[in-house]
Amino acid sequence: QVQLQESGPGLVKPSQTLSLTCTVSGDSISSGANYWTWIRQHPGKGLEWIGYIYYSGSTYYNPSLKSRVSISADMSKNQFFLELNSVTAADTAVYYCATGKTSSDHWGQGTLVTVSS
Amino acid sequence: DIQMTQSPSTLSASVGDRVTITCRASQSISNWLAWYQQKPGKPPKLLIYKASTLESGVPSRFSGSGSGTEFTLTIGSLQPDDFATYYCQQYSRFLTFGGGTKVEIK
Repeated sequence: QVQLQESGPGLVKPSQTLSLTCTVSGDSISSGANYWTWIRQHPGKGLEWIGYIYYSGSTYYNPSLKSRVSISADMSKNQFFLELNSVTAADTAVYYCATGKTSSDHWGQGTLVTVSS
Repeated sequence: DIQMTQSPSTLSASVGDRVTITCRASQSISNWLAWYQQKPGKPPKLLIYKASTLESGVPSRFSGSGSGTEFTLTIGSLQPDDFATYYCQQYSRFLTFGGGTKVEIK
């Protein structure tokens, strides 16, 4: 059973870059079976797809965030990463990493990132 | 972009009720539709994929139907553990989620 765990700073200052890591166990990012996905949820709100990466390195982003987001992966460490730059308070959210046949069958527990000075 | 419109946004029901939630896509997504259940402080849990395929371990009181642009999630007999928020998601082209339906105790 694949397991995912998000990690990274819980507090980021406005205008800075939010950086998160998703560590995967029970499956290999390089297997080619699935997309590796980042999703966020603003407090008390719905779910927003941020983007995903395929084992080939191909990335796909939500058009509303595309200018500020980057997703990458380290196959040797079985980790993938999220960077979101020029953050504002509107980027305060729980950030999840996920994967699976729907690109989000399996989820990490999520990590709350607060943007505040 | 494919938009997903879910209704109702809130639903009040009693244990034992039959509950139906609707999801509409802004364009055809064939059957690339999933349903999730989320409880407070937890990540969403996959219930149904490919519009009508029950995920392993999910109780059979959950069922899904539809194709193209119109989809439904039905809970055959609502149980206490089912009070939660439900989301539809299309994965035909990238990912888009519906706005969610909160199922509350009546």
